[in-house]
This record gives sequence, C-alpha cells and structure tokens, in this order.
Amino acid sequence: EVQLVESGGGLVQPGGSLRLSCAASGFTFRSHWMHWVRQAPGKGLVWVSRINNDGTYTTYADSVKGRFTISRDNAKNTLYLQMNSLTAEDTAVYYCATGGSGYCYNWGQGTLVTVSS
Amino acid sequence: EIVLTQSPGTLSLSPGERATLSCRASQSVDNSYLAWYQQKPGQTPRLLIYGASSRATGIPDRFSGSGSGTDFTLTISRLEPEDFAVYYCQQYGSSSITFGQGTRLEIK
Repeated sequence: EVQLVESGGGLVQPGGSLRLSCAASGFTFRSHWMHWVRQAPGKGLVWVSRINNDGTYTTYADSVKGRFTISRDNAKNTLYLQMNSLTAEDTAVYYCATGGSGYCYNWGQGTLVTVSS
Repeated sequence: EIVLTQSPGTLSLSPGERATLSCRASQSVDNSYLAWYQQKPGQTPRLLIYGASSRATGIPDRFSGSGSGTDFTLTISRLEPEDFAVYYCQQYGSSSITFGQGTRLEIK
C-alpha cells in the first residue's frame, strides 16, 4: 500500500523558514515524480512544486519561485520542501503527492503550516 | 502561468441527473495535459481523469472527460449521492502546473 507521510509543519513567524519532509513507502520511490500541493483553510488546491525521479529537474509555481526549494533523497525514500521568507499567504496544509510528471494519483494526509506573529 | 477558470462556481443538481463542469484555460494546454480531481470535505483529492479523457484506475465510467486546446469538460452521466463534492481541473502542459478554483457540486 502506498503511504506518504508529511511532517515538519507548524507555526512560524513571517520571514521565517521551515523544512517539510514526506516519507514514502509502498512503491518504488526512486522511479516516480513527486509533487507538493497546498491548500489554505477553506480554499482550493494550489500546486507548489515538482521534482523528477532522480532529482535533476524541478519546477515551481510563480508564487514560491526563489523562496522554496524541492529536493529528494532516494536512499531515504524522502521528499523535502525547504521554505524560506514565509508570509501569511503561505499558510496552508501542504500535501506531498506522487504520480506522473503532472498529475497526482497518491496523496499524503498533509501537514499544516501556519505563518503568523 | 496558465490560468484555469472553472464554471459554474456552484452546481446544484439532484441524484440521477447529468452534471457538466467546465474548465477554460487562458492559453492552449499542450498535449491536452488536463486532469480532473474530486475532493470531499476532510479528504485528500482523488484523481478522476488525466490526459483530458483517460479515466484513472478504479474510476466509474459515469465520469468522462473531453476537450482540447483551451476548453475542457468533465461530465458525470448520472449523479450518485457520493458524487457531491468539489471538483478541480489541473493543467500540466506547461512547466508551471496550475489548478482551477474549483466547482462545488451540491445536492439540490
């Protein structure tokens, strides 16, 4: 069974940083693209970033470009999202997901990031 | 970034009726790289359709997708009680992927 378990969320002050992790199991992690998608409370889905299977190709939403960095460790079956210069607009549940290069067919349960003073 | 506009914002229908949800892109979506998701309250999104018209594994055939270029449609042929949810379209034809704002399908 595919499992994606996010961690690292919490309360952070504006301008601060946070690193999210996503532990993957139940599938061949190193063979799959991975994505981060976020959802503010009561709002819609917003795609954040993706990374290819070997970590050599990444893309970002305009809203996070230059502030967020996606990475992966295939030896540890773990996906990461380093988030810097956080603002209140980054407050959301962050999901990691796997699928093709674009669409996502397995999702984690998410980790909540709250940016507030 | 490609902007996806979904309509209507809310659709009120009864079980057994046909639902037609629209997704319009601000520019052409390459290779019809358009997906549809269903999300119920408190749950994670569920992939329904990818490549504009291919059903994901385990998705009932009452769900169908169509369209190309800038106009895409998700059709639910006969609504079941469990189909009432929020639906999102997503384009992945450009380097920066985007979602639509969602259509809420509610029971009339």
